[in-house]
Amino acid sequence: GIQVEQSPPDLILQEGANSTLRCNFSDSVNNLQWFHQNPWGQLINLFYIPSGTKQNGRLSATTVATERYSLLYISSSQTTDSGVYFCAVEKYPNRDDKIIFGKGTRLHILP
Amino acid sequence: NAGVTQTPKFQVLKTGQSMTLQCAQDMNHNSMYWYRQDPGMGLRLIYYSASEGTTDKGEVPNGYNVSRLNKREFSLRLESAAPSQTSVYFCASSPRGSRAPLPFGPGTRLTVL
Repeated sequence: GIQVEQSPPDLILQEGANSTLRCNFSDSVNNLQWFHQNPWGQLINLFYIPSGTKQNGRLSATTVATERYSLLYISSSQTTDSGVYFCAVEKYPNRDDKIIFGKGTRLHILP
Repeated sequence: NAGVTQTPKFQVLKTGQSMTLQCAQDMNHNSMYWYRQDPGMGLRLIYYSASEGTTDKGEVPNGYNVSRLNKREFSLRLESAAPSQTSVYFCASSPRGSRAPLPFGPGTRLTVL
């Protein structure tokens, strides 16, 4: 099955700093999503981005499908950005298709 | 439009007890999923259902059973709970092929003593 690796596993930054989170995947995919899990455990979908670049406020994401990686950029970090960021991929149509998650990057923004 | 709902939100069981976690979605999605989340392990797929009437094992299916009751509902059953099943359980659904974001339920925090 597809392997998803995220880096770095942990990241501690001062408020106002910028950060880049990376997601590598081992096979071509049809769907890639970035999620933020806040400190209360809620999973929030940030981007659906199988290819190309998208931006939403201080967050942006780029997926280079041909090279099998995606990047999540967070600019001018705020304490509310703290939490775990997950990348998830999906490959279909396929008898074995399912959504596979990476282990996440834990981000801690210091005030 | 409630999205994906899960019940209960919290549960404490004793070893050997059984229970069923309920999940429902009102988005007419074909696919539904059950994940468990453990510290440092990310989300691991337990079972999934690509369509009504079909279910398949994921990465960690042992100790669980599922039932796709209809298109809306996908339940997860623990027949004889074990402390290793202490985890947070998430249900998700997907339109599968429609290229849309994956909505998650709020999670069920299960503790097995």
